[in-house]
Amino acid sequence: QVQLQESGPGLVRPSQTLSLTCIVSGDSISSRNDYWSWIRQPAGKGLEWIGHMYASGSPTYNPSLKSRVTISVDTSKNQFSLKLRSVTAADTAVYYCARAPFYDILSLDVWGKGTTVTVSS
Amino acid sequence: QSVLTQPPSASGAPGQRVAISCSGSSSNIENRFVYWFQQFPGTAPRLLMYKNNQRPSGVPDRFSGSKSGTTASLAISGLRSEDEADYYCAAWDDSLSAQVFGPGTKVTVL
Repeated sequence: QVQLQESGPGLVRPSQTLSLTCIVSGDSISSRNDYWSWIRQPAGKGLEWIGHMYASGSPTYNPSLKSRVTISVDTSKNQFSLKLRSVTAADTAVYYCARAPFYDILSLDVWGKGTTVTVSS
Repeated sequence: QSVLTQPPSASGAPGQRVAISCSGSSSNIENRFVYWFQQFPGTAPRLLMYKNNQRPSGVPDRFSGSKSGTTASLAISGLRSEDEADYYCAAWDDSLSAQVFGPGTKVTVL
């Protein structure tokens, strides 16, 4: 059973880059034809899809964040990452990583527990 | 401002049936599959329904999904106290080229 765990700094300064990693355990990320996603949720608010990536393909990003986001997969470390540049307080949220099978990319059936990121000076 | 619309809240007594709507448009719900997620406070969302009306293993058959035109619905029959949670619909939006979520509906068991 695949499990996901987010890791990264809980505090990021405004204008800096938010960097998070999602560690995949229970199976090899390179042996799975899955989509690896990032979703975020500001406190008390709804879910926002950030983007996803197929292990051997190109990422797809939310157009509202596309200019600031990079999602990448590191098969050697069995993890995938999120970088969000030029952050502001509006980027403060719980960030989740999730996976979906290649044949149904919206079926986010495995989620990490989430990590809280606060943007503040 | 989400392109999918959900009522902010829904409630029912134990044993009753509650239905949550998710309204969209031709660029999402009408021509795409709808997904539903359940989220308890302080926890990650859980996939509750996929491809409009398919339940992942482990999801009770008290939960059912449907879709007609630009509106999808999630119904919970035989409401139980452990069903108190936030419920989000989701779909792919062809105009935005993005996955979109509804704003969520908080279900309360009276």
